[in-house]
Amino acid sequence: DAKTTQPPSMDCAEGRAANLPCNHSTISGNEYVYWYRQIHSQGPQYIIHGLKNNETNEMASLIITEDRKSSTLILPHATLRDTAVYYCIVRPAGKLIFGQGTTLQVKP
Amino acid sequence: SAVISQKPSRDICQRGTSLTIQCQVDSQVTMMFWYRQQPGQSLTLIATANQGSEATYESGFVIDKFPISRPNLTFSTLTVSNMSPEDSSIYLCSVEGDRETDTQYFGPGTRLTVL
Repeated sequence: DAKTTQPPSMDCAEGRAANLPCNHSTISGNEYVYWYRQIHSQGPQYIIHGLKNNETNEMASLIITEDRKSSTLILPHATLRDTAVYYCIVRPAGKLIFGQGTTLQVKP
Repeated sequence: SAVISQKPSRDICQRGTSLTIQCQVDSQVTMMFWYRQQPGQSLTLIATANQGSEATYESGFVIDKFPISRPNLTFSTLTVSNMSPEDSSIYLCSVEGDRETDTQYFGPGTRLTVL
């Protein structure tokens, strides 16, 4: 599985957009980019995924660069409840391998 | 999405004993996964459990230490054997979600403390 690099931590003001970057320069053509988050003491929660095109759902948007070597998860209006560890994972079909993720702290 | 429950939610155990963690899902799933999350760390995959076959263990995990059962399509157990304080972790069960999106859903976890 391709390796990902994420900043260890980020802050965001409540109500503002949170932009979480992820580098995956060794991604293969058949590997998807997945984002999960883990709110303290809970199991991880699926957010969104994509292959080439930008994706949007009710939780977030995923922007993937044209060369697919990096991506950005966007939470358009962050709330205090979005404070969590966010994991970027690249994978073909099969098991999830978690890195260290980015701890996002949303501040009032 | 699948609803997953785990029992117990937490436990405190003595060194040298064993604990069996149960994972129940509200729908039939082929693939179930067990993860460990040590304090302050990310999740590490222990094994993949498919119904009707032996579990597949990741590097660093062995069946004698973490035996897994998968008797049907909605249930699995993970046993942590001969525990030591280093086994203190959160143990999480996960199941395959939507096959089209290849997502996974996670249970709430079992917080284990070994004294």
